[in-house]
Amino acid sequence: NAGVTQTPKFQVLKTGQSMTLQCAQDMNHNSMYWYRQDPGMGLRLIYYSASEGTTDKGEVPNGYNVSRLNKREFSLRLESAAPSQTSVYFCASSLTTVRMNTEAFFGQGTRLTVV
Amino acid sequence: SQELEQSPQSLIVQEGKNLTINCTSSKTLYGLYWYKQKYGEGLIFLMMLQKGGEEKSHEKITAKLDEKKQQSSLHITASQPSHAGIYLCGAASSTDKLIFGTGTRLQVFP
Repeated sequence: NAGVTQTPKFQVLKTGQSMTLQCAQDMNHNSMYWYRQDPGMGLRLIYYSASEGTTDKGEVPNGYNVSRLNKREFSLRLESAAPSQTSVYFCASSLTTVRMNTEAFFGQGTRLTVV
Repeated sequence: SQELEQSPQSLIVQEGKNLTINCTSSKTLYGLYWYKQKYGEGLIFLMMLQKGGEEKSHEKITAKLDEKKQQSSLHITASQPSHAGIYLCGAASSTDKLIFGTGTRLQVFP
């Protein structure tokens, strides 16, 4: 049981380049999330998907797009990377929405550097 | 929007000492989660508190939820080097999204 798998683990991009961060879960969860973690800032929500086919903006969505391809996969795309997007990105999933008090499971993170 | 504030931001304690981390919400709490993150790794679920006054323990870690005060505390008894890491509280926002506090970095020295 792999849980939440993120790829790649590390990535260096040049300013202006684009890339997609992949996330897949094998727990049949409905909700999926993308966060970024910066020093001293905790985790900030970028985008959220309550169920297949739906997505919603989080606290810091500017510069990102997402796609909930199917129930398993939730990808995060940077169309034109900027140095301010240098961060560690985490994907998470939960069975239902958090008000239903379900635990969220996290991937191991993608460390992205934009130069 | 809802915000979660954690205090202290950083904590350095000697092995064997007790410590407390606090998490305060700017809005009503609909459940509160505690996670631990080892440096450079993903988050590990510790505990979930659902009701006001609820208290849960796992090994030497105890968490309490004070719904009226919109805050939770995490208490570690007799700290060990294995407790070192970043502790994050999370909660459901008014729009049912999982948001997190700024984190507390804990170091335990022998």
